[in-house]
Amino acid sequence: ETGVTQSPTHLIKTRGQQVTLRCSSQSGHNTVSWYQQALGQGPQFIFQYYREEENGRGNFPPRFSGLQFPNYSSELNVNALELDDSALYLCASSSGGGVSSYEQYFGPGTRLTVT
Amino acid sequence: AQKVTQAQTEISVVEKEDVTLDCVYETRDTTYYLFWYKQPPSGELVFLIRRNSFDEQNEISGRYSWNFQKSTSSFNFTITASQVVDSAVYFCALLDTGRRALTFGSGTRLQVQP
Repeated sequence: ETGVTQSPTHLIKTRGQQVTLRCSSQSGHNTVSWYQQALGQGPQFIFQYYREEENGRGNFPPRFSGLQFPNYSSELNVNALELDDSALYLCASSSGGGVSSYEQYFGPGTRLTVT
Repeated sequence: AQKVTQAQTEISVVEKEDVTLDCVYETRDTTYYLFWYKQPPSGELVFLIRRNSFDEQNEISGRYSWNFQKSTSSFNFTITASQVVDSAVYFCALLDTGRRALTFGSGTRLQVQP
């Protein structure tokens, strides 16, 4: 069974630029969630995708957007990068039904630095 | 609104000591789900346990045990005979079943000294 993978591992961008982060879900999982974890804090929910549609969203501005593809992989796009966007971005996958679907399995994250 | 509080920022113990990590939660839901995750230095969050609010029994898994107390809205995590490999940041989380989103606490950093 393949776990959740994310790319790239690290990324350095300049303020105002755009970035795309990628995530492949664990095999058998059709739901992907994205979280932002600032240094020294707990992860904050950005949004979730199920069946290629946004299924829920946290308190993040519209410049944070996403996609889910038919193979359940996902992208997180951030436009007009700000210094405060520097964080570890975590992707999590889960299955679609039943109480066990509430268990989210995380990837290793992408560390984004905005200068 | 949901909230998870982990009041212990950092705990340091010597190997083989027992240690308890505290978690207090707030929710208006009558049915809810709690989680513990481990985040080692590599950064990946590792799922440890899911607890349903309607379960009566406490969980034990090897050296790990969890104590769920509805009366005090707490879901504490105990590591028995701690080992250096237990050193990590531990997060307690509460599921928002509407958005299927996890609300995390701020985490407790556990350092186990040899």
